[in-house]
Amino acid sequence: DQQVKQNSPSLSVQEGRISILNCDYTNSMFDYFLWYKKYPAEGPTFLISISSIKDKNEDGRFTVFLNKSAKHLSLHIVPSQPGDSAVYFCAASLSNFGNEKLTFGTGTRLTIIP
Amino acid sequence: DADVTQTPRNRITKTGKRIMLECSQTKGHDRMYWYRQDPGLGLRLIYYSFDVKDINKGEISDGYSVSRQAQAKFSLSLESAIPNQTALYFCATSVWEGSTDTQYFGPGTRLTVL
Repeated sequence: DQQVKQNSPSLSVQEGRISILNCDYTNSMFDYFLWYKKYPAEGPTFLISISSIKDKNEDGRFTVFLNKSAKHLSLHIVPSQPGDSAVYFCAASLSNFGNEKLTFGTGTRLTIIP
Repeated sequence: DADVTQTPRNRITKTGKRIMLECSQTKGHDRMYWYRQDPGLGLRLIYYSFDVKDINKGEISDGYSVSRQAQAKFSLSLESAIPNQTALYFCATSVWEGSTDTQYFGPGTRLTVL
């Protein structure tokens, strides 16, 4: 059972436009969400996170939105740049007194078209 | 120098062989993890260790074993490799900061079992 889902395997966006990557989850107990970015031949790198007590977190060009009632989060990148071309994974965890583990989605490959 | 290193980076082996993948970190984190990535399945947790004396199974531990030799070292072994263990393997580290557990990944080991 895939508890974290990224239904779009790939996405292409023109340089300078907004990229929106989506993620859905089924476990309502998840209370912390993260986005990771992965380039070929490298490990995933942490990008941005959000706690379930918030509905938005912004860091430069990256903003994550959380809609708890819909069990949905999204990552907005604006403006998109060629260096943003990568695979993006969303991940979720539930607070368990320090026993947190991450559950990852399947990833979305973002391609920025110059 | 990279904070999380994995050796080897690439390995081809035959069915039935014993294989060890090694992970070292200089981040000083207590927590270490092993994941595998398969196309269309995202990252799945194999084993994790919250300190040197603590080893826990993840969601797909069958066919694997681990050893935490020191705070900085966490090895993954395939006792008798089989073709469906062909995958990209990632080691990660983290430190729990009271409510968050951001993980930092190594560059990955690509393992092919013939």
